[in-house]
Amino acid sequence: DAGVTQSPTHLIKTRGQHVTLRCSPISGHKSVSWYQQVLGQGPQFIFQYYEKEERGRGNFPDRFSARQFPNYSSELNVNALLLGDSALYLCASSWGTGGGGYTFGSGTRLTVV
Amino acid sequence: GESVGLHLPTLSVQEGDNSIINCAYSNSASDYFIWYKQESGKGPQFIIDIRSNMDKRQGQRVTVLLNKTVKHLSLQIAATQPGDSAVYFCAEHNQGGKLIFGQGTELSVKP
Repeated sequence: DAGVTQSPTHLIKTRGQHVTLRCSPISGHKSVSWYQQVLGQGPQFIFQYYEKEERGRGNFPDRFSARQFPNYSSELNVNALLLGDSALYLCASSWGTGGGGYTFGSGTRLTVV
Repeated sequence: GESVGLHLPTLSVQEGDNSIINCAYSNSASDYFIWYKQESGKGPQFIIDIRSNMDKRQGQRVTVLLNKTVKHLSLQIAATQPGDSAVYFCAEHNQGGKLIFGQGTELSVKP
């Protein structure tokens, strides 16, 4: 079985641009969560989606948005990119919203110049 | 506020020795705790978890201890191997479905 897949693996954007990151969960998993990991720190929670609905939101500005599709894949969108948005963006999938079993993808490395 | 912190940012051990990585947490309402291993260029990899109603859980070469009295979590790795070299994170799962990660401890295993 394929694990959590994220695309692209690396991305370079200019300040002010918009970016879309994609995540495909493990087959059968209905929940997708997004995390931002700045170099040298632990991942920070951005969003959780379950059955196409937002179930949790972290302390991130409205420039960050996400959605989940009927096949449970997900997109994370970031508008008006800032240099501080440079980070590894991780997607984690799980069966539901609680009870554990969070499996992470390898992430998308976003560099804003 | 919510926080999960690690006592030591780096840990260097000799191959074959046991390693102990510590973690402090502040939210006593969390329902379980997880240890992750992250290698360079990869996402966090699940190692072991423990429910808040337990105080010890063992896996293959790893043991997690939970002390709710002092809000302390530890990961013990037996017979540490070079392949164990990585950054280790503890994470706290809260009822809202999110994981709160600490800063991480970098484990370096000397052959």
